[in-house]
Amino acid sequence: DAKTTQPNSMESNEEEPVHLPCNHSTISGTDYIHWYRQLPSQGPEYVIHGLTSNVNNRMASLAIAEDRKSSTLILHRATLRDAAVYYCILRDSGNQGGKLIFGQGTELSVKP
Amino acid sequence: DAGITQSPRHKVTETGTPVTLRCHQTENHRYMYWYRQDPGHGLRLIHYSYGVKDTDKGEVSDGYSVSRSKTEDFLLTLESATSSQTSVYFCAISELIYGYTFGSGTRLTVV
Repeated sequence: DAKTTQPNSMESNEEEPVHLPCNHSTISGTDYIHWYRQLPSQGPEYVIHGLTSNVNNRMASLAIAEDRKSSTLILHRATLRDAAVYYCILRDSGNQGGKLIFGQGTELSVKP
Repeated sequence: DAGITQSPRHKVTETGTPVTLRCHQTENHRYMYWYRQDPGHGLRLIHYSYGVKDTDKGEVSDGYSVSRSKTEDFLLTLESATSSQTSVYFCAISELIYGYTFGSGTRLTVV
């Protein structure tokens, strides 16, 4: 399974944009880039995923580098409720089960 | 979470007893997964299923078995619970083109 590298922690101010980076230099052509977040005392929550093109949804945007070796999750306007651990994971769509292997993620804190 | 439920939500059991955790979905997703989460280890995959009666091992499968006799249910069994299996267990469902949906978790304490 291809690995991802994320900073252990990041800080942000409320109502400002947040850019969470992820490196995945060994990504293969069939790997989708997935992002999840986990709020305190809750299960992980799907945020967004993409293959090659940038993606937007109501929660966030995903910017994927042209060579796909890195990506950035963008929260356009952080709120206190966005404080969570954010996981960047590669999911092999060509592999049976397409299982997600979680790393340690980035712990995002949001200051008022 | 909508479409996926885990039971029980909390359980305390004694060392050496068998325990079964249940994951039930109403989404008709093909794939189902069991993870455990411990402080300092993050989420680790125990077993997963890619169809009825089709299962495979994950990263930390020793001491666990699973069964999936119908699409909607995925059972995780600890044949003889040990204190090292005290953890929070999460079930997840998915189709390949979509993201995962996780359950609310089962907090298991083995005393």
